[in-house]
Amino acid sequence: RKEVEQDPGPFNVPEGATVAFNCTYSNSASQSFFWYRQDCRKEPKLLMSVYSSGNEDGRFTAQLNRASQYISLLIRDSKLSDSATYLCVVNPYYGGSQGNLIFGKGTKLSVKP
Amino acid sequence: ETGVTQSPTHLIKTRGQQVTLRCSSQSGHNTVSWYQQALGQGPQFIFQYYREEENGRGNFPPRFSGLQFPNYSSELNVNALELDDSALYLCASSLWGVGTEAFFGQGTRLTVV
Repeated sequence: RKEVEQDPGPFNVPEGATVAFNCTYSNSASQSFFWYRQDCRKEPKLLMSVYSSGNEDGRFTAQLNRASQYISLLIRDSKLSDSATYLCVVNPYYGGSQGNLIFGKGTKLSVKP
Repeated sequence: ETGVTQSPTHLIKTRGQQVTLRCSSQSGHNTVSWYQQALGQGPQFIFQYYREEENGRGNFPPRFSGLQFPNYSSELNVNALELDDSALYLCASSLWGVGTEAFFGQGTRLTVV
């Protein structure tokens, strides 16, 4: 089993749609969780951290279920500019540096006019 | 712009050759991590450097080695290049001991022919 698994995608949605990405992780001792965004041929950039209580940033909502080892990202009112690959990321170590990140394969999102 | 710079941006090498990739970390950051991203995959952790020492390593053979310098910049060296080493190599800098964001450089795209 891969350490971090994501929906394979691609997701092709119209502008304004709501889209949800799911991710599972295998290491129950993992402590920090993130969603990164990667545009084509660019470096990954942090979209948001994910907390057990859930967190929201504008149109983006992230949820974590530790019991199920499951992470989700919800994007509401999709924009053309949301088109990118979304990477589910786990840091297996508590606190400390955010190095040693474990990435999922990524899910590609294409938002169409 | 993250302040993390990598050089060169593109590189073509022949199988069996050696390559050195360079990374300048963001000002104030003392930890550098290296990742390999093959086409269509998520980044894979190679190793992390803190206080000029390797601090954690992923599933990569010893021909992948690195250095960190007193100014926190870093090098990734790969010996005896193989065709499968063709990938985007990403450097991420962060601050050790604080759960802050890891900032990625734009990457070096290595092609082994």
